[in-house]
Amino acid sequence: GAGVSQSPSNKVTEKGKDVELRCDPISGHTALYWYRQSLGQGLEFLIYFQGNSAPDKSGLPSDRFSAERTGGSVSTLTIQRTQQEDSAVYLCASSYGLAGVEQYFGPGTRLTVT
Amino acid sequence: TQLLEQSPQFLSIQEGENLTVYCNSSSVFSSLQWYRQEPGEGPVLLVTVVTGGEVKKLKRLTFQFGDARKDSSLHITAAQPGDTGLYLCAADPGGATNKLIFGTGTLLAVQP
Repeated sequence: GAGVSQSPSNKVTEKGKDVELRCDPISGHTALYWYRQSLGQGLEFLIYFQGNSAPDKSGLPSDRFSAERTGGSVSTLTIQRTQQEDSAVYLCASSYGLAGVEQYFGPGTRLTVT
Repeated sequence: TQLLEQSPQFLSIQEGENLTVYCNSSSVFSSLQWYRQEPGEGPVLLVTVVTGGEVKKLKRLTFQFGDARKDSSLHITAAQPGDTGLYLCAADPGGATNKLIFGTGTLLAVQP
């Protein structure tokens, strides 16, 4: 497809379980970002990948959160031992890698931890 | 920590009214973007402003970047129900980082 895709669109999980969220960026975009968004709020930066450089993990809220980007394309965000406070919409975006240029967002994954 | 505060946080108006949303910071930015997000979707870029004092118009939307490049405003004239959504400002702090700093968001509801 032409845009950023994310899967699943919705995920309900029990507290303590691990979840994996997937992001397919726009082909050719070198940068990939993960954000977390609580209902009606702004975006909280989680992690940033740029080409083959080491990712910027400065926004990850705890060591239960990790992400990888394979082959410079698809990315997976993993949350281990989920907690209720992890419930949010997780958004992925891709761009050509410069902060001043447009970021193209996926539709997000709504995570609910019960 | 660089913060972008948006005001108001929530706004509910009638169709045809005008409104202004503000995005403020104590930091200077290289550029600033405005995004609109509709329910169940990701944010979509509306405009990027780069020069202090710059004004850009997109149909009924007018965007202004403050002279000191610390703040911005979005003015909507004769709001329509289709303008309903979450408006987010996002700033490029420049330097070595390639991350945008997103504002706290303004949730706009335009009633028909």
